[in-house]
Amino acid sequence: GQSLEQPSEVTAVEGAIVQINCTYQTSGFYGLSWYQQHDGGAPTFLSYNALDGLEETGRFSSFLSRSDSYGYLLLQELQMKDSASYFCAVFSGYALNFGKGTSLLVTP
Amino acid sequence: DAGVIQSPRHEVTEMGQEVTLRCKPISGHDYLFWYRQTMMRGLELLIYFNNNVPIDDSGMPEDRFSAKMPNASFSTLKIQPSEPRDSAVYFCASRGGEQDTYEQYFGPGTRLTVT
Repeated sequence: GQSLEQPSEVTAVEGAIVQINCTYQTSGFYGLSWYQQHDGGAPTFLSYNALDGLEETGRFSSFLSRSDSYGYLLLQELQMKDSASYFCAVFSGYALNFGKGTSLLVTP
Repeated sequence: DAGVIQSPRHEVTEMGQEVTLRCKPISGHDYLFWYRQTMMRGLELLIYFNNNVPIDDSGMPEDRFSAKMPNASFSTLKIQPSEPRDSAVYFCASRGGEQDTYEQYFGPGTRLTVT
């Protein structure tokens, strides 16, 4: 089976940096994905890590350590529009299995 | 491309009624996934298809749920009979089959309320 753990809620100030951690246990692992979901919307793809290390895409970066079964999403220069839920998901080679999500609130 | 299309966007039904949710994946995508999202359980994978063939339905909660994909451009998720605990947002997603393709594209979801 699979399990993913991430914090349920995080609050940060506009302009700050926030890190959302994800630990996973799985019997089959190809990579770790991150998705963003605004209230009432659909999940949208942010990043994918198959190898150890940091992947940067604009203000967002994602990190993976396969040996530690650990990853994180780093959001820099936070904006109000970044308030949303963020999901880590393990890619098993065919499908994604998602964590429960982290609700990020960005305050002025 | 219009993206993944789902219908209806909202469905309110009474317990015991049959509910059919519909999905049109992105043209050319080989994989189609059905997810259910609730506050308590998060985003759960129910079933997925590859080239219209069901591959893994281990996430389907019980026999009341069934899914079909009669062709590459259409899939249905049916609940019969529906129960109040089936109330959730149901998402359909699709993905290309090319190597190194990891991004899943989600539809807008169907919000189901069973009273």
